[in-house]
Amino acid sequence: DSGVTQTPKHLITATGQRVTLRCSPRSGDLSVYWYQQSLDQGLQFLIQYYNGEERAKGNILERFSAQQFPDLHSELNLSSLELGDSALYFCASSDGTSGGSLYEQYFGPGTRLTVT
Amino acid sequence: TQLLEQSPQFLSIQEGENLTVYCNSSSVFSSLQWYRQEPGEGPVLLVTVVTGGEVKKLKRLTFQFGDARKDSSLHITAAQPGDTGLYLCAGAYEGGGADGLTFGKGTHLIIQP
Repeated sequence: DSGVTQTPKHLITATGQRVTLRCSPRSGDLSVYWYQQSLDQGLQFLIQYYNGEERAKGNILERFSAQQFPDLHSELNLSSLELGDSALYFCASSDGTSGGSLYEQYFGPGTRLTVT
Repeated sequence: TQLLEQSPQFLSIQEGENLTVYCNSSSVFSSLQWYRQEPGEGPVLLVTVVTGGEVKKLKRLTFQFGDARKDSSLHITAAQPGDTGLYLCAGAYEGGGADGLTFGKGTHLIIQP
């Protein structure tokens, strides 16, 4: 158990809909990262928040957005869903204070999103 | 886009054999990590290497970071069925800016009893 929790475990929805995925980081971790994993693309970094502020963006679509709340939990919002958005979505956390060279991240169990 | 290539993509061997998987890039890493992922679960961090030439051992797993910090290898001795899984390397690039890791596509390892 990494200490990172994600809900829901599974989500099935239709094209055009909007969903919200939730993540609670490990106790004491300030950074939260979101990743998308699909069979053909592997694990892709989407976005990072640090202590409530957006810190870095990766390959995140404009239809997707995220935020980190004062209690440090984070939500990833996916809108206007398409079939190709079906994937595993992982949240990871780190303490954010390891310096520039470590980046050790701890992953949650993921949310499996199926868009039909 | 910085690429991180892993090889082989798939590997199926018998229990007791040794194996090595590789992770390569044309760019220099400030740090590199190896993760193991089982189906339907999140990646689990195995090791972080930071210094060029560094070697770390975790029981039967030996991780090596290239001298130039552009490549890494994972060697498993006397593989066991419990080693089955997806092995991912992930790198943080020097000067990359973002804290997000760049992942390779992984090596799918199957150890047959």
